[in-house]
Amino acid sequence: QVQLQESGPGPVKPSETLSLTCSVSSDSISSYYWSWIRHSAGEGLEWIGRIHTSGRTNYNPSLKSRVTMSIDPSKKQFSLRLSSVTAADTAMYYCVREWGAGFDYWGQGTLVTVSS
Amino acid sequence: DIQMTQSPSSVSASVGDRVTITCRASQGISSWLAWYQQKPGEAPKLLIYAASSLQSGVPPRFSGSGSGTDFTLTISSLQPEDFATYYCQHGYSFPYTFGQGTKLEMK
Repeated sequence: QVQLQESGPGPVKPSETLSLTCSVSSDSISSYYWSWIRHSAGEGLEWIGRIHTSGRTNYNPSLKSRVTMSIDPSKKQFSLRLSSVTAADTAMYYCVREWGAGFDYWGQGTLVTVSS
Repeated sequence: DIQMTQSPSSVSASVGDRVTITCRASQGISSWLAWYQQKPGEAPKLLIYAASSLQSGVPPRFSGSGSGTDFTLTISSLQPEDFATYYCQHGYSFPYTFGQGTKLEMK
């Protein structure tokens, strides 16, 4: 069974950078793509981007200028950085594993609130 | 971006009913479609992938069909634990996008 757990600093101020890390409990995170998805009342479910254990990334064009993803296979962790946040970035953030054109394992989610 | 449109936005049904939810893509996506169930306070759960393949552990009362632009999720006989919100999602091209959701409520 694969388990994912998001961790982050909690509230973020406008214009700051949101940083989240996902820890994966699995024998290995190799050979998969790992994504970040967020869910807000205003935008619904939104795919932010994905990263492979090789370091290859694909980002949502709507967020691409502000998103950076990284991965550390040895620690079985991957991370999200979203810069210049505004209130519109307030959402539940999930880390997920991509499989079969869908996402089969999800973290429990972490609520990120952008507020001064 | 490919837009995913679900209908209805909400539906009321009773235990034992057959329920069908539809999802339409704004352009053809072959069979690159997944369905999820989400309950309050929980992460979405994958039910169907590749339009019609049942995810491991999901009861066989759930089924998916369709290809191209039109897809359906069918629950053959509603159980009490099935009342939730359902989402479709395409994996055909970037960015992946989701439908707006269909809330299945108890009549």
